[in-house]
Amino acid sequence: DQQVKQNSPSLSVQEGRISILNCDYTNSMFDYFLWYKKYPAEGPTFLISISSIKDKNEDGRFTVFLNKSAKHLSLHIVPSQPGDSAVYFCAASDAGGTSYGKLTFGQGTILTVHP
Amino acid sequence: NAGVTQTPKFRVLKTGQSMTLLCAQDMNHEYMYWYRQDPGMGLRLIHYSVGEGTTAKGEVPDGYNVSRLKKQNFLLGLESAAPSQTSVYFCASSYSTGDYSNQPQHFGDGTRLSIL
Repeated sequence: DQQVKQNSPSLSVQEGRISILNCDYTNSMFDYFLWYKKYPAEGPTFLISISSIKDKNEDGRFTVFLNKSAKHLSLHIVPSQPGDSAVYFCAASDAGGTSYGKLTFGQGTILTVHP
Repeated sequence: NAGVTQTPKFRVLKTGQSMTLLCAQDMNHEYMYWYRQDPGMGLRLIHYSVGEGTTAKGEVPDGYNVSRLKKQNFLLGLESAAPSQTSVYFCASSYSTGDYSNQPQHFGDGTRLSIL
């Protein structure tokens, strides 16, 4: 049972345009969400996060939106750059005291930004 | 600042062999985790530790054992390797504040393990 789903295996975008990566979750206990970026032969690196008490969080070119009622979050990258080409993972966690920060990951979306 | 270091980076094993993957972090993090990444499945938690001397099972613990004898090290062992354990293994660590929502996990660069 996949509790975090990224239904688009890949996304192709032109440089300068907006990239929108989507993520859905089923576990209503999740209340902290993160996006990680991964280049080949490297480990995932933290990009941006959002708590369930917010519906939007921005960091430079990256914005994450959270729709709790729909159990859906999205990552917007504006403007997209060729260096953004990577695999993007959505992850979720239950902030309860016994969860110890454990993350549940989606399958990942390969983003390709063309010059 | 090395962050999270995993050794080895690559390894090929024969079915039935054993090996240990080492993870070391220099950020004084309390929490450490082992994940495996398989095509189309994202990262799945194998085992984790919330402090020196403690370990707990994650989502896919079967066939693996772990130890956290020192705070900075987290070892993942395969006692009898099977082809189904062919994967890329990632170690991660994080702080253990009450509000860990501000403490994302930091990952190593992975160990690519092939079992023939």
